[in-house]
Amino acid sequence: GDSVTQMEGPVTLSEEAFLTINCTYTATGYPSLFWYVQYPGEGLQLLLKATKADDKGSNKGFEATYRKETTSFHLEKGSVQVSDSAVYFCALSSMDSSYKLIFGSGTRLLVRP
Amino acid sequence: DARVTQTPRDKVTEMGQEVTMRCQPILGHNTVFWYRQTMKQGLELLAYFRNRAPLDDSGMPKDRFSAEMPDATLATLKIQPSEPRDSAVYFCASGEGGLGYTFGSGTRLTVV
Repeated sequence: GDSVTQMEGPVTLSEEAFLTINCTYTATGYPSLFWYVQYPGEGLQLLLKATKADDKGSNKGFEATYRKETTSFHLEKGSVQVSDSAVYFCALSSMDSSYKLIFGSGTRLLVRP
Repeated sequence: DARVTQTPRDKVTEMGQEVTMRCQPILGHNTVFWYRQTMKQGLELLAYFRNRAPLDDSGMPKDRFSAEMPDATLATLKIQPSEPRDSAVYFCASGEGGLGYTFGSGTRLTVV
């Protein structure tokens, strides 16, 4: 079945460092891909999405490009802030799986001043 | 912005008691999910509905959990009887197909 694999955390960075969180997926169809963010004590918020190959999703300085050839959707940010400290979840949803929302295990990011 | 509303926000109950969690999805969304989050297991899909019909509840312990959508504005998750291992944060989410889903703030359940 469909699945999502993302890098283990925690990822610890200094403020203004470059961020990459890797995400790869397995899907039989053509899924939509998402990044969700969860701040401490809160629910999950949709950060960005891409619905077809080569689409780039972007929001709040974060970007991810839907790469069908490598089945990847890596999250990047050029300069992280302390306020970006959170858990980031990669997810997919496809018609072949009745649009079930399937998550990776999450990656905790800690940004130090 | 439209929101998914979950009640109660926090619930402490004794083992053996019935617990009911409620979710008001965003108007017009045809898909509703229930997830459970714990430190140990991460995010687990319990059940989901499309157009109020259950699509998959294979993630739920059937002997004690039940999920329903009595109407388009309300989804419920019941646990009877509750056990300490049910302690977790329960999230509801609603949305449309591949367009993305909006999550509620969650119900933090503690069973003592």
